[in-house]
Amino acid sequence: NAGVTQTPKFRVLKTGQSMTLLCAQDMNHEYMYWYRQDPGMGLRLIHYSVGEGTTAKGEVPDGYNVSRLKKQNFLLGLESAAPSQTSVYFCASSELAGVYYEQYFGPGTRLTVT
Amino acid sequence: AQSVTQLDSQVPVFEEAPVELRCNYSSSVSVYLFWYVQYPNQGLQLLLKYLSGSTLVKGINGFEAEFNKSQTSFHLRKPSVHISDTAEYFCAVKEAAGNKLTFGGGTRVLVKP
Repeated sequence: NAGVTQTPKFRVLKTGQSMTLLCAQDMNHEYMYWYRQDPGMGLRLIHYSVGEGTTAKGEVPDGYNVSRLKKQNFLLGLESAAPSQTSVYFCASSELAGVYYEQYFGPGTRLTVT
Repeated sequence: AQSVTQLDSQVPVFEEAPVELRCNYSSSVSVYLFWYVQYPNQGLQLLLKYLSGSTLVKGINGFEAEFNKSQTSFHLRKPSVHISDTAEYFCAVKEAAGNKLTFGGGTRVLVKP
């Protein structure tokens, strides 16, 4: 099993450009999450999904959109990139929340917006 | 709303010395607690978790953590660190009935020879 994979690993954008980050998991997990990691702030939840076709806002959703058309994929879109979106983005997945709860993380995407 | 505070942003420690990373949380409901480790240029992986039962939890790589409900703390310890323990460590909390993790700001551990 590959676990959680993210594409691309690195990306540089100019202000105003758009892009989509792809997250894929092969563990048949229901829940998927997008986080951003900034120095000293830990991981902050952007959006999440509790199943195919569903999405919900997290702590810092502004400037991002997501889609979960297939259970195994969770896409994060930036319609008009801003320098404040320079960050490392992590995707994670988990089984249904409950006693066996554990999130599995991808390797991250480092995004720089100039 | 829940929050997580990691009191130390950086902890330098000599090889074979003990280390303790502090984590305090605030929540008005029952919670599950987690410690994740992030090695350089990698994603996060789970070290250990507290769901219920014994308040002393043992994890991978010789780490353990103790849940203290009265002090709302979940401190991580290792009696003897190795160079390979150099990493950033994150404490996280989830409401028992919820589906989201809240992370602390992280503690960067630098193990010196």
